[in-house]
Amino acid sequence: GAVVSQHPSRVICKSGTSVKIECRSLDFQATTMFWYRQFPKQSLMLMATSNEGSKATYEQGVEKDKFLINHASLTLSTLTVTSAHPEDSSFYICSAREATDRGPLHFGNGTRLTVT
Amino acid sequence: GESVGLHLPTLSVQEGDNSIINCAYSNSASDYFIWYKQESGKGPQFIIDIRSNMDKRQGQRVTVLLNKTVKHLSLQIAATQPGDSAVYFCAEISGYSTLTFGKGTMLLVSP
Repeated sequence: GAVVSQHPSRVICKSGTSVKIECRSLDFQATTMFWYRQFPKQSLMLMATSNEGSKATYEQGVEKDKFLINHASLTLSTLTVTSAHPEDSSFYICSAREATDRGPLHFGNGTRLTVT
Repeated sequence: GESVGLHLPTLSVQEGDNSIINCAYSNSASDYFIWYKQESGKGPQFIIDIRSNMDKRQGQRVTVLLNKTVKHLSLQIAATQPGDSAVYFCAEISGYSTLTFGKGTMLLVSP
């Protein structure tokens, strides 16, 4: 089955620094990747949708200058949390879809970000 | 989205019982529905899906029922096992739009 790899699984950083999270599709080409954020005991909230080679589309309320998304290839999307603050601490999850795929999204195993 | 909530209801069952997890979706135009299982500290894992031209679909130990009239989706797990303990999310999608997750239900299976 389709595999999505997310790295790192956990990261701790200091306030004011930036953190990059990678999302890779291992056995398929992902023309579209999605980034979600999840707080404890809550559902997944879509942050942004990225299409290979174009700018990401951000959901309402998500700061595009704070959460930089790059989808430079068909197998890699990155999310950079810039100038991180403690309130950015959360579980970030990516998912990916092939161009013609109307099947389920495949998810990475998430990244636990803790900002101290 | 409308379907996303901020609270996590819990369903507690005994090992061997059948579990039924319910989900109400909001978009009458949604034509594809998916159930995901999420274990602690992991990403969602696909369980089963159903398209709007069906009202029932069965997998291994799981059955999904779709009632479009009342916009309701359910996941039935037969002979629930401790390994089934997780949070279960329904998700809906219309066409090639983005996936919208429901609020989730935590399933606790006691031996």
